Amino acid sequence: LAKTTQPISMDSYEGQEVNITCSHNNIATNDYITWYQQFPSQGPRFIIQGYKTKVTNEVASLFIPADRKSSTLSLPRVSLSDTAVYYCLAWMDSSYKLIFGSGTRLLVRP
Amino acid sequence: GAVVSQHPSRVICKSGTSVKIECRSLDFQATTMFWYRQFPKKSLMLMATSNEGSKATYEQGVEKDKFLINHASLTLSTLTVTSAHPEDSSFYICSAPDSNNEQFFGPGTRLTVL
Repeated sequence: LAKTTQPISMDSYEGQEVNITCSHNNIATNDYITWYQQFPSQGPRFIIQGYKTKVTNEVASLFIPADRKSSTLSLPRVSLSDTAVYYCLAWMDSSYKLIFGSGTRLLVRP
Repeated sequence: GAVVSQHPSRVICKSGTSVKIECRSLDFQATTMFWYRQFPKKSLMLMATSNEGSKATYEQGVEKDKFLINHASLTLSTLTVTSAHPEDSSFYICSAPDSNNEQFFGPGTRLTVL
């Protein structure tokens, strides 16, 4: 399970694109990169997962360079409701075990 | 997506009593479930892995006699906080992976020990 490092907090404004970068220098060959979103007093919610290159779904994009030592979560045109904590995790498919880092507290301002 | 529920959503108890928290996978079976604890403005801390039909695996520093875990069926795991103390007050969250290895988290249980 690779250790991940993210910025503690980020500020943005409504309508802007937000990019949160996570470093995972010792990521293992079998590790996937997964991002979760958590609102106060709620359980984390899955956002996106990838192994390499780029993954896009209806809410976000995930960019992973060839060396996989970092990844960037991209949230297009954020709204106030995107204010939350975002966690980046590198985990091995067969182990299921998720170890959360400190996360990034995103504040979207009007 | 799959749904994981927790019950109760919040509980207040007196110091010295025991509290049971249930975690259910509503539309899928989970041979493994996970229990986390989260203090205010902190990250989730993995406490233990709940295994259906066998003993739970606890993370370092988590007292197994304090936090009893029972994975009674493929859809239910319970966490019992025994002899609760105010420092056990926290937000407890469970998760379960579905057949595609995607983890789904419960809504959490807010425990307050007076």
